[in-house]
Amino acid sequence: DQQVKQNSPSLSVQEGRISILNCDYTNSMFDYFLWYKKYPAEGPTFLISISSIKDKNEDGRFTVFLNKSAKHLSLHIVPSQPGDSAVYFCAASANSGNTPLVFGKGTRLSVIA
Amino acid sequence: EAQVTQNPRYLITVTGKKLTVTCSQNMNHEYMSWYRQDPGLGLRQIYYSMNVEVTDKGDVPEGYKVSRKEKRNFPLILESPSPNQTSLYFCASSWVAGAGELFFGEGSRLTVL
Repeated sequence: DQQVKQNSPSLSVQEGRISILNCDYTNSMFDYFLWYKKYPAEGPTFLISISSIKDKNEDGRFTVFLNKSAKHLSLHIVPSQPGDSAVYFCAASANSGNTPLVFGKGTRLSVIA
Repeated sequence: EAQVTQNPRYLITVTGKKLTVTCSQNMNHEYMSWYRQDPGLGLRQIYYSMNVEVTDKGDVPEGYKVSRKEKRNFPLILESPSPNQTSLYFCASSWVAGAGELFFGEGSRLTVL
């Protein structure tokens, strides 16, 4: 049973436009959520996180929104740049981050110049 | 420089020939974990360790062993590799299991013939 779902395997966006990557979860115990970015031939790197006590967290061009009632979070990238082209993984943890992360399958973002 | 180092980065082996993928971190992290990445399946956790001498199974532990005799090292052992273990493997570490930044190694691509 997949607890963290990223239903879009891929997404293409024009440079300068907004990229929206979505993630749904089923485990109501999850209370900490993270996004990781992965380039080919490299390990994933941490991008941004949000605790369940918040509904929004912003870091430069990246904003994560959390809708607890819908068990849904999204990552917004504005404006999108060609260097943002990568695979993005959504991850979740329970117990205020004291349990191992559960990852989604990832969404491949392509930003077209 | 803070890093997670995996070796080997690339390996081609044959069915049944025991192999070990080493992982070392220099950040004094308590938590370490192994993942495998397969097309369409995302990142799946194999084993994790909350601290020295403490290890637990992840989602896909079959066919793998780990040990955590010292804080910095967390080797992944394939006692009798099979072709279905052909994959891209990532080691990761952090201060706690699911919160904050999980640091990943660069990956080890393993092919079992």
